[in-house]
Amino acid sequence: EAGVTQFPSHSVIEKGQTVTLRCDPISGHDNLYWYRRVMGKEIKFLLHFVKESKQDESGMPNNRFLAERTGGTYSTLKVQPAELEDSGVYFCASSQGWQVRNEQYFGPGTRLTVT
Amino acid sequence: SQQGEEDPQALSIQEGENATMNCSYKTSINNLQWYRQNSGRGLVHLILIRSNEREKHSGRLRVTLDTSKKSSSLLITASRAADTASYFCATALYNQGGKLIFGQGTELSVKP
Repeated sequence: EAGVTQFPSHSVIEKGQTVTLRCDPISGHDNLYWYRRVMGKEIKFLLHFVKESKQDESGMPNNRFLAERTGGTYSTLKVQPAELEDSGVYFCASSQGWQVRNEQYFGPGTRLTVT
Repeated sequence: SQQGEEDPQALSIQEGENATMNCSYKTSINNLQWYRQNSGRGLVHLILIRSNEREKHSGRLRVTLDTSKKSSSLLITASRAADTASYFCATALYNQGGKLIFGQGTELSVKP
């Protein structure tokens, strides 16, 4: 069974440009989470999808970030326009159930560098 | 303020030695989980300990949880060079839809 995959693995863009990150969860996992780790800091929660619905987007830093999960399968996270402080590693995770006891499986992350 | 704080921030040991990492948190939790991140790779789930458990083992890993002190520790015994990685604790709170709150992590370096 394939794990969580993310694309691209690394993206380098200039300030003001747009970048779209993609996450493909494990097949059958209704729950999809986005997290990010800004350099030297802790990994922070961004948002949580249950199927195609946003369950919790309390961690989204501002309206330059837009996440979608059309059809409840893969998800995209768009940053527009990108700022220097958006640089970091963006992780996606999926789980079968939303209950806290369910293990989340993480993807390899997308390293975003904004110059 | 962050939920999870870990210490030490960095730990360097020789192969064969034991490594202990600690994590403290602030609010009541449903469970606490430990993850490992090898350089340039994703997060790998190591072990989950529930709030009503005090100790859990998995291979060379031993995790303890003290809810009265709101702290947990991860012990890696007989460390190997391949254990070199960043280790994170993450807490799952009640009624939070499963989202995890991570600590800043401990950078473990195991020298051969």
